[in-house]
Amino acid sequence: AQTVTQSQPEMSVQEAETVTLSCTYDTSESDYYLFWYKQPPSRQMILVIRQEAYKQQNATENRFSVNFQKAAKSFSLKISDSQLGDAAMYFCVTNNAGNMLTFGGGTRLMVKP
Amino acid sequence: NAGVTQTPKFRILKIGQSMTLQCTQDMNHNYMYWYRQDPGMGLKLIYYSVGAGITDKGEVPNGYNVSRSTTEDFPLRLELAAPSQTSVYFCASSYMGASYNSPLHFGNGTRLTVT
Repeated sequence: AQTVTQSQPEMSVQEAETVTLSCTYDTSESDYYLFWYKQPPSRQMILVIRQEAYKQQNATENRFSVNFQKAAKSFSLKISDSQLGDAAMYFCVTNNAGNMLTFGGGTRLMVKP
Repeated sequence: NAGVTQTPKFRILKIGQSMTLQCTQDMNHNYMYWYRQDPGMGLKLIYYSVGAGITDKGEVPNGYNVSRSTTEDFPLRLELAAPSQTSVYFCASSYMGASYNSPLHFGNGTRLTVT
């Protein structure tokens, strides 16, 4: 069975600064994908960034980047130049061959003006 | 382009009542999913479908039923509602399975309370 652990229930960051959200996972799959989804107060789930496990290069999407450490099964999200609109719940997610996604428990990010 | 549309947005049920949560997508996606999100938790898969006429159980299927008669629609049926089914329900769709090139598109969720 797959598990995803987000050890930080809440984080806060000052506007314009950088914050890193942690995620570790456990999977028996040899090929898998990792995602970070954002859930603002509107409840909509929004894909932030994605990573294929066989790619060593860390994914980046504008101000969002990941630090993917495959051997350590770690997949952290770095948000640079934090903005008020980044305030949300962030979920670390992995998939398996059976088309199921496994979600972590989430990290609530607060952005202080 | 509406994406994934869920109705209703909110609902209160009494114990033992039944209801259907509606989900429709206009992206011609093959895969559709139902998730539930309990307070302060991540999402758990209830049922999913890889195409019209095909459905399969996820992690937490007990107390629910689904059908997929068309590509667009994937309703979730609750029979004999119980307080443990109080949750926020999300419908999602994707062109292919949950893979890199086929991210999930989510609806806005239905908040269900069973009292």
